[in-house]
Amino acid sequence: KQEVTQIPAALSVPEGENLVLNCSFTDSAIYNLQWFRQDPGKGLTSLLLIQSSQREQTSGRLNASLDKSSGRSTLYIAASQPGDSATYLCAAGAGSYQLTFGKGTKLSVIP
Amino acid sequence: EAGVAQSPRYKIIEKRQSVAFWCNPISGHATLYWYQQILGQGPKLLIQFQNNGVVDDSQLPKDRFSAERLKGVDSTLKIQPAKLEDSAVYLCASSLDHHGRGRWDSPLHFGNGTRLTVT
Repeated sequence: KQEVTQIPAALSVPEGENLVLNCSFTDSAIYNLQWFRQDPGKGLTSLLLIQSSQREQTSGRLNASLDKSSGRSTLYIAASQPGDSATYLCAAGAGSYQLTFGKGTKLSVIP
Repeated sequence: EAGVAQSPRYKIIEKRQSVAFWCNPISGHATLYWYQQILGQGPKLLIQFQNNGVVDDSQLPKDRFSAERLKGVDSTLKIQPAKLEDSAVYLCASSLDHHGRGRWDSPLHFGNGTRLTVT
């Protein structure tokens, strides 16, 4: 059974800092790894999707990497802004058509 | 493009009552998902449809939960009877293609969810 862990559970940084969010998964036989953002009271917004054949994906100030062999993915946010404050979730897509989500990292960017 | 629509946004019921949630996916999206998100947890898949057929309902508590997707478009999720532990946000999502059919490049698009409180 796939298990996804996100560390840290919460993170507070001053505006302008670069930061890294971590995601680990137990079953390396994944098809893709997705990163989502969730604002309070809202649904999830897809940020980046990395297919198993890829090593990384970039969108603006966001860069996500995938290392299947070690069961890890990282989300790098450059030059953080207060508007980046949200909960970030990663999800691993594997065998039985299911996305297994982590519990998320709650990010606060302080002006 | 219009996003995934869900209603109602909030629902408060007493235990043992029934409740239904509605979802309209993004036009043209073949795959529809219902997730349950308990406070402080990541979403957990309840059921996945490909067009109007069920792909995966292994985590759906079938003694009290049911879902249907008529004509491969809108979907409803029902709980009857509700228990206290069903208090959660119910999220609907859709994707353009079916994950698992050799196509794993379609991101999921989520609605804003229905927050259910069972008292």
